[in-house]
Amino acid sequence: AQSVTQLGSHVSVSEGALVLLRCNYSSSVPPYLFWYVQYPNQGLQLLLKYTSAATLVKGINGFEAEFKKSETSFHLTKPSAHMSDAAEYFCAVSGTGNQFYFGTGTSLTVIP
Amino acid sequence: GAVVSQHPSWVICKSGTSVKIECRSLDFQATTMFWYRQFPKQSLMLMATSNEGSKATYEQGVEKDKFLINHASLTLSTLTVTSAHPEDSSFYICSARQGAAFNSPLHFGNGTRLTVT
Repeated sequence: AQSVTQLGSHVSVSEGALVLLRCNYSSSVPPYLFWYVQYPNQGLQLLLKYTSAATLVKGINGFEAEFKKSETSFHLTKPSAHMSDAAEYFCAVSGTGNQFYFGTGTSLTVIP
Repeated sequence: GAVVSQHPSWVICKSGTSVKIECRSLDFQATTMFWYRQFPKQSLMLMATSNEGSKATYEQGVEKDKFLINHASLTLSTLTVTSAHPEDSSFYICSARQGAAFNSPLHFGNGTRLTVT
């Protein structure tokens, strides 16, 4: 079975500061992991995905995530937060049954 | 590429009426689409998996007679909320997978905000 856990339902950072959103996964098979962003009243937009080609994955809007098997983690980072990064972020793992399993989400607030 | 269009983006209906929400994959074929429901400040709850040409697979606790899903073509799935009640008010989001591989991401529509008065 696959699942993801997002630590911290709310994260606040100052504009220009490092963004770190945490995601740990549980999977009995090599996982395929994803990060999505959701702006208010919109659907989810794919930020990046890990598909075993490289452990450090670069995505859109300056985000990146590193797959660490030893820590079963796939944390999302961005060196310098921008006001436009304020949104809800979801980590997800792809299941063998054609399903996705989403974390509970982390709301990112950027303080000017 | 991989655009999913959902319509309408918002709808207000009276209690007891039915509402249909459409989900289209615009530039790819989707044999499987997924319908989610999202409550305020919460994660996505998978309601059902819509399979082209066959019956949808509903998650436990989701009333299939209330939430009718039809996947008539490789690019269109519809969700009909029948006899809507205020507790059905929510944000509904559809998604589709481009490709059958497990590493294929889900692509989402922009969601439908349903308000039942």
